[in-house]
Amino acid sequence: KAGVTQTPRYLIKTRGQQVTLSCSPISGHRSVSWYQQTPGQGLQFLFEYFSETQRNKGNFPGRFSGRQFSNSRSEMNVSTLELGDSALYLCASSFGVSGNRAKNIQYFGAGTRLSVL
Amino acid sequence: SQQGEEDPQALSIQEGENATMNCSYKTSINNLQWYRQNSGRGLVHLILIRSNEREKHSGRLRVTLDTSKKSSSLLITASRAADTASYFCATVQRQGGSEKLVFGKGTKLTVNP
Repeated sequence: KAGVTQTPRYLIKTRGQQVTLSCSPISGHRSVSWYQQTPGQGLQFLFEYFSETQRNKGNFPGRFSGRQFSNSRSEMNVSTLELGDSALYLCASSFGVSGNRAKNIQYFGAGTRLSVL
Repeated sequence: SQQGEEDPQALSIQEGENATMNCSYKTSINNLQWYRQNSGRGLVHLILIRSNEREKHSGRLRVTLDTSKKSSSLLITASRAADTASYFCATVQRQGGSEKLVFGKGTKLTVNP
């Protein structure tokens, strides 16, 4: 079974540009969550999509957005990039079933490292 | 905000020794999970312990949970150089039908050969 695939692995952008990151979940998983990881703030939750709907959102500005397609693949977009957006962006997939069960374990991709110059 | 806080922030040991990492959290939980991250890579799920469990084992990993103290520990026995990584605890916050993981800042473990 293929794991979570994130593309691209590395990106270099300049301030003011926008960027789109892609995530293909494990087959059968309907939930995709996005996280930002920086040395200063650690791992922070961005948002979660389930069946093409945003189901949960973290405390990030509106420049951060996402979407999910009918095949569960997800994209996140960051507009008007700032230097502080430089980070490792991780996506994770799961069955998305709420409750105290092993099926809500999240499986992570290798991440996209974004550098904003 | 960070729910879990790991302690210590960094740990350096020799191969064959045991490594213990601790995690504290603030709110009530249904389960607590531990993840490993090799340098600059994605996170790998290690183990999940439910709130009604006190201890769980998986290979060389032993996790304990004390809900009265809101703390958990991860013990790696007979460590190997390949165990060098950052280890994170994560708790689950529910909002409607959605669950999000809230991570601590992690413990960076270095196992010297």
